[in-house]
Amino acid sequence: EIVMTQSPATLSVSPGERATLSCRASQSISSDLAWYQHKPGQAPRLLIYGASTRATGIPARFSGSGSGTEFTLTISSLQSEDFAVYYCQQYNNWPPWTFGQGTKVEIK
Amino acid sequence: EVQLVESGGGLVQPGGSLRLSCAASGFTFSSYAMHWVRQAPGKGLEYVSSISFDGTSTYYADSVKGRFTISRDNSKHTLFLQMASLRVEDMAVYYCARDRSYGYEWIDYWGQGTLVTVSS
Repeated sequence: EIVMTQSPATLSVSPGERATLSCRASQSISSDLAWYQHKPGQAPRLLIYGASTRATGIPARFSGSGSGTEFTLTISSLQSEDFAVYYCQQYNNWPPWTFGQGTKVEIK
Repeated sequence: EVQLVESGGGLVQPGGSLRLSCAASGFTFSSYAMHWVRQAPGKGLEYVSSISFDGTSTYYADSVKGRFTISRDNSKHTLFLQMASLRVEDMAVYYCARDRSYGYEWIDYWGQGTLVTVSS
């Protein structure tokens, strides 16, 4: 099973600032990585797939990068609606599809 | 518009059973693999189970293997999760999710979830 490790667990950021979230895979997953945003009481939302491709309707301030075992999600200028928990997920080697433990982006 | 609406959650005693349903609309249900993902209180997302577009292949997390059964009725655009021998650690919000294709790739749509509470 591929283990996904996200860091940090919590990121405190002021609105308008840049946020950088990391995700590491326990073995190479090529670019088979997705990022999701999850707010309390809501359905998770797909942000990024293929490590760097934005999903339909996702603002350009969200960007993904990386391949192999190291990945990054960057939010260039945080808006109030971006405060949420973010998960990475690998779909290279399954089952199981595995998620990171999440990074909570909170208001500083 | 893609919609996934889960139902069937509720309170069940340890050792009990529950059947979750997910009604799909807004897309050709029979063309997509589907998944169940859960989130226990205060925890992150956890993969539970997957089923192929035609229902012929199924996969399970080790934590639920032998106790949960995933199935689908393509004529009724509905996904199911039959849960048996429920444990306290199965308590979670269960999300129905659509794979982006007939194969197994990323999840592109999620439902709002249904809460399963396991308690005596």
